[in-house]
Amino acid sequence: AQSVTQLDSHVSVSEGTPVLLRCNYSSSYSPSLFWYVQHPNKGLQLLLKYTSAATLVKGINGFEAEFKKSETSFHLTKPSAHMSDAAEYFCVVSAGTTDSWGKLQFGAGTQVVVTP
Amino acid sequence: GAVVSQHPSRVICKSGTSVKIECRSLDFQATTMFWYRQFPKQSLMLMATSNEGSKATYEQGVEKDKFLINHASLTLSTLTVTSAHPEDSSFYICSAHTGETGYTFGSGTRLTVV
Repeated sequence: AQSVTQLDSHVSVSEGTPVLLRCNYSSSYSPSLFWYVQHPNKGLQLLLKYTSAATLVKGINGFEAEFKKSETSFHLTKPSAHMSDAAEYFCVVSAGTTDSWGKLQFGAGTQVVVTP
Repeated sequence: GAVVSQHPSRVICKSGTSVKIECRSLDFQATTMFWYRQFPKQSLMLMATSNEGSKATYEQGVEKDKFLINHASLTLSTLTVTSAHPEDSSFYICSAHTGETGYTFGSGTRLTVV
């Protein structure tokens, strides 16, 4: 079984300040982990993914996430928020290895608001 | 990169009618297609998984006779919402998967049943 918990449903940051979105996961197997971003009424865009390689994963638009097995966490960070970062963010877990992609389990989402 | 084209982006239909949503994989062959539903302010919930040429596998609680999924080719999968009711109003998103391209999401379809 697998699950993912996003610890914050809503995060508000000022433009230019750091962003931290927290995610904890549970998986019976070595998981693949993803962060997706969704703008209103749009599909999902992949920010980054972890697939058992380097634990610090760099993604697009300045985002990065660190896989910490001991803490079962995969928090997403960005050093300096931009107005265009305002969106919904989903932490996602997939059971299995890179050779056996399984179903995706989505977290509840974190709404990010960026203020000028 | 891999692209999944989903149509229509928005549709309004009358209660009792059926609506078809299409997802096409462009420049790649989608062996597996996942269909999700997203209610306002909520996360994505997997409805069903379809593999080309075989019957779809539905998640618990999803009515297979109401949400008809067809994956007749490696580049096209369709979801038909039959006898739609207002409670079926939602955002529907498809996701194609291959070992090479990983998961590629469509842009979503906003269904409103009136």
